[in-house]
Amino acid sequence: KNEVEQSPQNLTAQEGEFITINCSYSVGISALHWLQQHPGGGIVSLFMLSSGKKKHGRLIATINIQEKHSSLHITASHPRDSAVYICAVPNTGNQFYFGTGTSLTVIP
Amino acid sequence: NAGVTQTPKFRILKIGQSMTLQCTQDMNHNYMYWYRQDPGMGLKLIYYSVGAGITDKGEVPNGYNVSRSTTEDFPLRLELAAPSQTSVYFCASRLGTETHYGYTFGSGTRLTVV
Repeated sequence: KNEVEQSPQNLTAQEGEFITINCSYSVGISALHWLQQHPGGGIVSLFMLSSGKKKHGRLIATINIQEKHSSLHITASHPRDSAVYICAVPNTGNQFYFGTGTSLTVIP
Repeated sequence: NAGVTQTPKFRILKIGQSMTLQCTQDMNHNYMYWYRQDPGMGLKLIYYSVGAGITDKGEVPNGYNVSRSTTEDFPLRLELAAPSQTSVYFCASRLGTETHYGYTFGSGTRLTVV
């Protein structure tokens, strides 16, 4: 069993739709990271959150530490949001467990 | 401020050949990492370093070697390339190990072994 599970694996949406990507984890954590991998392959950090909700532009991330669950929402989706979104949680060392990613395609 | 720079971006190797993937960062981060990403799989840690002169194995170290002679550079060496090493490789760095510190990733190296 993976320590980090993401759903869905693949997601296709029409431009303008509200999108939700889910992440569940089995380890006790103090923070969770959301990453975005562009079609060209580069990876950037989107959010680090340890409680509640964070918002950056059209992206909103929420976390429920008790339920070991986080969601990434995209409002008014746009084709440029097409990417792979990866959830990551720290392990007991100084590394991370990574989810396998959710591949999002937004169609104009 | 270039962040994390990886070279090359693409490489094709023949079985048994050797190569070094270069990684350098200009953020004075002590912690550096090498990951591989296979289709449908999460990032897997190959090796990591907590500072110059200190390296340690990650989850999938077999077939690889690393060195960390300076804070800036963390090259990954493949001695005898095998088809199983066909993957996308990412170098990353972090300022600290506290969980609120995120990674800065390089742009990746797509390696094919034929």
